[in-house]
Amino acid sequence: SYVLTQPPSVSVAPGQTARITCEGNYIGSQSVHWYQQKPGQAPVLVVYVNSDRPSGIPERFSGSKSGNTATLTISRVEAGDEADYYCQVWDTDSGHHVFGSGTKVTVL
Amino acid sequence: QVQLVESGGGVVQPGGSLRLSCAASGFNFNTSAIHWVRQAPGKGLEWVSFIRDDGGDKYYADSVKGRLTISRDNSKNTLDLQMNSLRPEDTAVYFCAKEELRKGFFNLWGRGTLVTVSS
Repeated sequence: SYVLTQPPSVSVAPGQTARITCEGNYIGSQSVHWYQQKPGQAPVLVVYVNSDRPSGIPERFSGSKSGNTATLTISRVEAGDEADYYCQVWDTDSGHHVFGSGTKVTVL
Repeated sequence: QVQLVESGGGVVQPGGSLRLSCAASGFNFNTSAIHWVRQAPGKGLEWVSFIRDDGGDKYYADSVKGRLTISRDNSKNTLDLQMNSLRPEDTAVYFCAKEELRKGFFNLWGRGTLVTVSS
C-alpha cells in the first residue's frame, strides 16, 4: 500500500520557521493536502492542493512541492501552532485516500 | 450551522457489531462525498471508507474491507457505517468528514465518536 513518510517531530523556537516534509513515491503527480490537529480535537485543513490556503488560515502557513516531497512551512511560529500535522493525498488509481504518519510540532 | 455530528460509538466485544451514524446539517448533503477516518489512541489518522454523493461508488481501506459497510440516506442527511466482526485493532475515534467537491481533501470534520473493542 502507498506510504507517505513524515518526520515524527519538529521543534522550533517562537518566531522561527518550521518545515514539515512529506515524502511519497508518487507525490510529484498528486495533489497534497495538510491538516493540523490539536489534542482532543478534529483535524483542521490548513493547506489544500499543494499550496492553497482555506479562508481563515493565517498566511504564515504555506505549502510547496518539489519532486516527490511536499513541504508545509509555518513562518513566525506561535505557541498556538503546537499540534500534530498530517499530509494527505488521494490515490485516484485505487480510489483510496492516504494520510502521512504525522509530525508533532513542538514550540520551545 | 454547517456541521457533522457522529454518534453510535461504545464498547463492544471482539467479533461483535456496531453501527455508527453521521448527521449532516447546513450544507447540501446530496452533492457531497462523505468519508470515515479513524484514529487509534495515540496514533495517526487512517482513512477508512467513502461514499459518493449519490451512493453509487463506495471505497474501503484494505484493513476494513469485507467487515465494514458504508451507506447514506440523502432524504435524512445521514451517513452510516455498519461495523461487523470487530477486532481490538478497530479501537479508535471515528470521524466523518466532507470532501470538497471531487477535489480529494476534507474541508469539514465532525468531532468523532469512540469505538472500543475489548473483552
